[in-house]
Amino acid sequence: SQQGEEDPQALSIQEGENATMNCSYKTSINNLQWYRQNSGRGLVHLILIRSNEREKHSGRLRVTLDTSKKSSSLLITASRAADTASYFCATDARRGSTLGRLYFGRGTQLTVWP
Amino acid sequence: DSGVTQTPKHLITATGQRVTLRCSPRSGDLSVYWYQQSLDQGLQFLIQYYNGEERAKGNILERFSAQQFPDLHSELNLSSLELGDSALYFCASSAGTSLYQETQYFGPGTRLLVL
Repeated sequence: SQQGEEDPQALSIQEGENATMNCSYKTSINNLQWYRQNSGRGLVHLILIRSNEREKHSGRLRVTLDTSKKSSSLLITASRAADTASYFCATDARRGSTLGRLYFGRGTQLTVWP
Repeated sequence: DSGVTQTPKHLITATGQRVTLRCSPRSGDLSVYWYQQSLDQGLQFLIQYYNGEERAKGNILERFSAQQFPDLHSELNLSSLELGDSALYFCASSAGTSLYQETQYFGPGTRLLVL
């Protein structure tokens, strides 16, 4: 299966600390995306990193991609209580008839305590 | 707000029934995707439409069907409902103009409960 796997499953930190979540996947990709989901709500796109990129920043978010290890990490710096949510990585298919679909992992549940 | 709208927000129905979920993509987006999110299966891709035509199919049951209309809105039809169909159903849209995967923008979802 192409499906990504996030690690850890759950992460609990204090406000102001950094949160790091990891994602591993199995087959070649064109790009990898990170999404956030507040409890029972829709997914919010955070960042997309292409297979030829190694690092990308967006505000307090930093994403890295290591295609040789088929892994990515999402770092949230100076976390806030409002960052409490589930975070998912999503990968695409390199080619073929499944080009349009995203493969999601199970997510990391991040809890940030005030 | 992603610009993707879904109706209804909640749906409670009985086993054996049929329901229709509706999605309006972001203005200008040609691709629509449907996903199912359940506790045991996680987020699963169901089906994708591009400009009215089916483009990719995932783990969609034969009891489920979808279509995209000329105005680009999409409907997901779920029939002969079972308890296990209870889940959050998301619609997402993307521009659909890139050969490679693009950012998908998700709607708020429809929570389906089958009793």
